[in-house]
Amino acid sequence: DQQVKQNSPSLSVQEGRISILNCDYTNSMFDYFLWYKKYPAEGPTFLISISSIKDKNEDGRFTVFLNKSAKHLSLHIVPSQPGDSAVYFCAASAFIQGAQKLVFGQGTRLTINP
Amino acid sequence: AAGVIQSPRHLIKEKRETATLKCYPIPRHDTVYWYQQGPGQDPQFLISFYEKMQSDKGSIPDRFSAQQFSDYHSELNMSSLELGDSALYFCASSLAAGRETQYFGPGTRLLVL
Repeated sequence: DQQVKQNSPSLSVQEGRISILNCDYTNSMFDYFLWYKKYPAEGPTFLISISSIKDKNEDGRFTVFLNKSAKHLSLHIVPSQPGDSAVYFCAASAFIQGAQKLVFGQGTRLTINP
Repeated sequence: AAGVIQSPRHLIKEKRETATLKCYPIPRHDTVYWYQQGPGQDPQFLISFYEKMQSDKGSIPDRFSAQQFSDYHSELNMSSLELGDSALYFCASSLAAGRETQYFGPGTRLLVL
């Protein structure tokens, strides 16, 4: 049972354009959402997060949007740069019985073409 | 800024051997999480510790055990290794086990032959 889903395994975008990565979740107990970026042979690097009380959070070129009613979030990167090429994981968090549970999506491989 | 440190970065073991993975959290972080990532898969939660006590348990095999020490570093002990244990093992740390961002280490790549 995949509670966090990233339905696009890969995405290819032209340099300078907008990259939009999508994520859906099923468990309404999730109240904190994160995006991580991962290069091969490295650990996931935290990018940006959003609390369920917000619908948008922006940090430089990265913006995360949350639609609670649709249980959907998206990461926008604009403008996209070649260094953004990596695997992006969406993660959802819930604090249950004294512990934070973090559930990852399957990841989307983003390729930025020059 | 200091990050999560994991050692070793690479480890090769034979079947039925044991392995110990170490994790040093970001200074002042008191919560440590262990994840396993198989090829082409998302990270799967294994176990976590808060203030040296186990706080949550995921899909950790009985052959594995872990603990957190007084300096907050953690060790994942893996015994009777199987071929299927070959994976990337990530440690993450956070400041208290609440709605806090988990920061990941570079991972240990374990290969069981």
